[in-house]
Amino acid sequence: DTEVTQTPKHLVMGMTNKKSLKCEQHMGHRAMYWYKQKAKKPPELMFVYSYEKLSINESVPSRFSPECPNSSLLNLHLHALQPEDSALYLCASSRGRGRWTGELFFGEGSRLTVL
Amino acid sequence: AQTVTQSQPEMSVQEAETVTLSCTYDTSESDYYLFWYKQPPSRQMILVIRQEAYKQQNATENRFSVNFQKAAKSFSLKISDSQLGDAAMYFCAYRNTNAGKSTFGDGTTLTVKP
Repeated sequence: DTEVTQTPKHLVMGMTNKKSLKCEQHMGHRAMYWYKQKAKKPPELMFVYSYEKLSINESVPSRFSPECPNSSLLNLHLHALQPEDSALYLCASSRGRGRWTGELFFGEGSRLTVL
Repeated sequence: AQTVTQSQPEMSVQEAETVTLSCTYDTSESDYYLFWYKQPPSRQMILVIRQEAYKQQNATENRFSVNFQKAAKSFSLKISDSQLGDAAMYFCAYRNTNAGKSTFGDGTTLTVKP
């Protein structure tokens, strides 16, 4: 069962398009993450939101813009992407602050192709 | 900075046999967590097993167990009675107790032969 839901599952966009990836979780987790994953590589952290505030930005280009409207939702707005941005984008959540922030719960990912 | 190293890019095992995946890490912290995640082809990444560094006892989850050697900074995953459904990419990951990010190894692709 997927407790972290990502939409769309597949997205093809041109370099001038604006699109968004969406992520939703209903586990009461207070930390949410965006990762980028290339084929046969580990996930690369892009952004972390903790209690709806951006807490980590791994120097991601500004053509990627995250948004956390509430504790259950996480968006990634895409604009003027490059072909090298084609990848699987993973959303994840975890419990949040405290000693045991817990493991990451991943969504199935959104596969992005930039033409 | 913490690093995680998986020295085996690919491994294969015969169905019903046992395989061990290796992971070493580097950290100056004394309190942290270690994880093994499984990512089947075109499917969701899921947690296989986790280990708290302050616990000396090795974690076990059914057919999956770890050999945690804190002094050696080693965290290997043993899969017993391998099944076809175990075929996947396995990532070892490290996380500080209060950090917002996890550090992943490069992964090991496991093939299970019938």
